Amino acid sequence: NAGVTQTPKFQVLKTGQSMTLQCAQDMNHNSMYWYRQDPGMGLRLIYYSASEGTTDKGEVPNGYNVSRLNKREFSLRLESAAPSQTSVYFCASSEEARSKTQYFGPGTRLLVL
Amino acid sequence: DQQVKQNSPSLSVQEGRISILNCDYTNSMFDYFLWYKKYPAEGPTFLISISSIKDKNEDGRFTVFLNKSAKHLSLHIVPSQPGDSAVYFCAASSNAGGTSYGKLTFGQGTILTVHP
Repeated sequence: NAGVTQTPKFQVLKTGQSMTLQCAQDMNHNSMYWYRQDPGMGLRLIYYSASEGTTDKGEVPNGYNVSRLNKREFSLRLESAAPSQTSVYFCASSEEARSKTQYFGPGTRLLVL
Repeated sequence: DQQVKQNSPSLSVQEGRISILNCDYTNSMFDYFLWYKKYPAEGPTFLISISSIKDKNEDGRFTVFLNKSAKHLSLHIVPSQPGDSAVYFCAASSNAGGTSYGKLTFGQGTILTVHP
């Protein structure tokens, strides 16, 4: 039982490049989330998926897209990376949308040059 | 507009003493509060939570206090241990307006260092 896994752990991109961050959970959770963490800002919600087949914008969605591939997997795509997207990205899941407790993955550290 | 604030970026405590981490919020619709703990290069892990219908919740060495009138919550760790050294985030959630997803609003975090 791995919980929430994320790949890659670390990535360096040049401005304008694209990439997809992968997230998978094995807890049979319905809801999944993507956050970014920046110094002094806490964690901010980018996108979430309340259940398989649905996705919605969070607090800071600009520059990102998501895909809920199936119940287990929720990916985050940067179509044209910008230096402002340098951050640590965390994926999380919860049993259902109304569950307050979210379980986090180990994070992906992204550097955009 | 920071709806959840942790005004102390860092806290240093001696092993065995009490650690008190504080969190303030501005949104009166928040009705559920959580504390997460984060070690370097790891994701946050859930520590303890409290509903707005309570003013205290205890789990072992960890106690969370909620003062709704002051819009303030605190996490007490007694006794503190070196393994408690981590970043602590408070988070808040609201079901106002029938919101059906568990959106969490996080504070900026407080770095706790417990010295042996």
